[in-house]
Amino acid sequence: SFELAQPHSVSVSPGQTATITCSGDILGNKYVCWYQQKSGQSPLLLIYQDSKRPSGIPERFSGSNSGNTATLTIAGAQDLDEAAYYCQIWDSRTAFFGGGTKLTVL
Amino acid sequence: QLRLVQSGPEMKKPGASVRISCESSGYIFNNYVISWVRQAPGRGLEWMAWISPYKGYTHYAEEFQDRVTLTTDTSSNTAYMDMKSLTADDTAIYFCAREYGDGNWFDLWGQGTLVTV
Repeated sequence: SFELAQPHSVSVSPGQTATITCSGDILGNKYVCWYQQKSGQSPLLLIYQDSKRPSGIPERFSGSNSGNTATLTIAGAQDLDEAAYYCQIWDSRTAFFGGGTKLTVL
Repeated sequence: QLRLVQSGPEMKKPGASVRISCESSGYIFNNYVISWVRQAPGRGLEWMAWISPYKGYTHYAEEFQDRVTLTTDTSSNTAYMDMKSLTADDTAIYFCAREYGDGNWFDLWGQGTLVTV
């Protein structure tokens, strides 16, 4: 089993930068993905392979991964960014999700 | 248009079984692995298992090894998730998701199916 630790919640003021972390043993050796899930919706892929953005994902979303921590950064947070964010990795053909971080924009 | 469309909500009694379907469209079904992920009310995402439609290879999370069976019907581009011996703890939204790329990220998700036990 692989444990991924995320803060339960993060708050940010509109226009400011939000940082959400994901910690795990030697996480930097693995590719990390990030998903956004708004209330009542399916998850949406935000970041794959640590720092790549799928087509259609705004540039204000960025990712990094080094050592034991991966980081999702949301620059210039907007009201519509209020959601739960999950990190995810693969280990031995098994997928693991972090517990999720609720982002509040206020 | 890329889509995964899941079957409708289910209400089951404890001990019963459930089958959820996930029909794909807009891409070659055989070429992409399908994973199943569930989310209990107010909780996070929990990966369950994956299946390779072309070969029928599967891999299950240890927790679901004995109760979950994944299958596919390539003639209808549909994946199925069967779960038996349901308990109240299985009440959740169940998602199917397509794996894409070398890193197998989940780039396409179904709308989710609520199973209430």
